[in-house]
Amino acid sequence: SQQGEEDPQALSIQEGENATMNCSYKTSINNLQWYRQNSGRGLVHLILIRSNEREKHSGRLRVTLDTSKKSSSLLITASRAADTASYFCATARQGAQKLVFGQGTRLTINP
Amino acid sequence: DVKVTQSSRYLVKRTGEKVFLECVQDMDHENMFWYRQDPGLGLRLIYFSYDVKMKEKGDIPEGYSVSREKKERFSLILESASTNQTSMYLCASGTSGSHNEQFFGPGTRLTVL
Repeated sequence: SQQGEEDPQALSIQEGENATMNCSYKTSINNLQWYRQNSGRGLVHLILIRSNEREKHSGRLRVTLDTSKKSSSLLITASRAADTASYFCATARQGAQKLVFGQGTRLTINP
Repeated sequence: DVKVTQSSRYLVKRTGEKVFLECVQDMDHENMFWYRQDPGLGLRLIYFSYDVKMKEKGDIPEGYSVSREKKERFSLILESASTNQTSMYLCASGTSGSHNEQFFGPGTRLTVL
């Protein structure tokens, strides 16, 4: 069953603006991951944040995790046309090797 | 770089045919996964394997089987393809442990007529 739910389902912004996507989940987790999928392609891992971490950065990406609210957010700063893609959060429960993916946010960056 | 390859990008089959989707990874990962992706439904796990000859059902195993005879290769089998199995199929591999990120292949878009 799908645990993660992304919000919004679709987001369209101008190049140079920041994009924020949210993810909510239901059970205790070991870590939460974000992936990107370009149209018709496989997913690419972006960043992993552990349950005992609150914030993590990687280049223009910033991820936060609030385990009390069971939610995470992905911020992409200074967006570029190449950031146009679908973004998925995925959660891993304690001791489990499976990931449970959300349905994704479709991000469009307009030039 | 980790590389996960899938045997076909596009495949067209007829109802009732037996279909094999192959996936190969080159990073000696213990875990391998098969997902299908449908609009509005996200990624759904069909089967996964955590070792050679080991497999576990995912969320939607009905109508599918898998085979893992070698560590680097994980096959998805549709015994008798049906139109409702038209979908994008994604294979992934990953290590076991706390950093269980997954590496995906490019996907196979299967159409069953």
